[in-house]
Amino acid sequence: EDKVVQSPLSLVVHEGDTVTLNCSYEVTNFRSLLWYKQEKKAPTFLFMLTSSGIEKKSGRLSSILDKKELFSILNITATQTGDSAVYLCAVAGNNRKLIWGLGTSLGVNP
Amino acid sequence: GAGVSQSPSNKVTEKGKDVELRCDPISGHTALYWYRQSLGQGLEFLIYFQGNSAPDKSGLPSDRFSAERTGGSVSTLTIQRTQQEDSAVYLCASSLATSGANVLTFGAGSRLTVL
Repeated sequence: EDKVVQSPLSLVVHEGDTVTLNCSYEVTNFRSLLWYKQEKKAPTFLFMLTSSGIEKKSGRLSSILDKKELFSILNITATQTGDSAVYLCAVAGNNRKLIWGLGTSLGVNP
Repeated sequence: GAGVSQSPSNKVTEKGKDVELRCDPISGHTALYWYRQSLGQGLEFLIYFQGNSAPDKSGLPSDRFSAERTGGSVSTLTIQRTQQEDSAVYLCASSLATSGANVLTFGAGSRLTVL
């Protein structure tokens, strides 16, 4: 059965800390892995990864995929209170239905 | 429109009533998805529309749930005889079918509370 597992489920850090969020997956015929940030209701797109070893970067956020070990990490450096959110990982397999993880709830304290 | 628009943003109803939730996707997006997100849970796939193809209804939890998409644009999710366990946020998302990937743009959701 296809599945996506995120860890940790939640964590709280202080502003300025660096965090690493993990997403491991078992999906038939992997096509892509996506990271989303969900603050209140609508998840907003962060990254899409399709190839191993190529880092995607946007400001203080970066992500990389390892298709051999079947996982991805999302790094956030110099965290700010505005980074507090649930970070969702999803994987696209053979069809167009994304398999979603439960998310990591990140709290950043000032 | 500029984004995915959903209405109502909040709906409180009594058990047994029918509700309709509306989604207006981004213009030109041919793929449309409905998801349900219960408190503390992940995104639960409900239904997927792609162009003129038959929708993928495999995620609908019961026959009380139905959805349609008229003219390849606006979609309505209908829940008949609502139950308390239907309380959740219902998220709609759309994407370009030709994107070659699954980058979804989500609406702000409709929060349904069944009393």
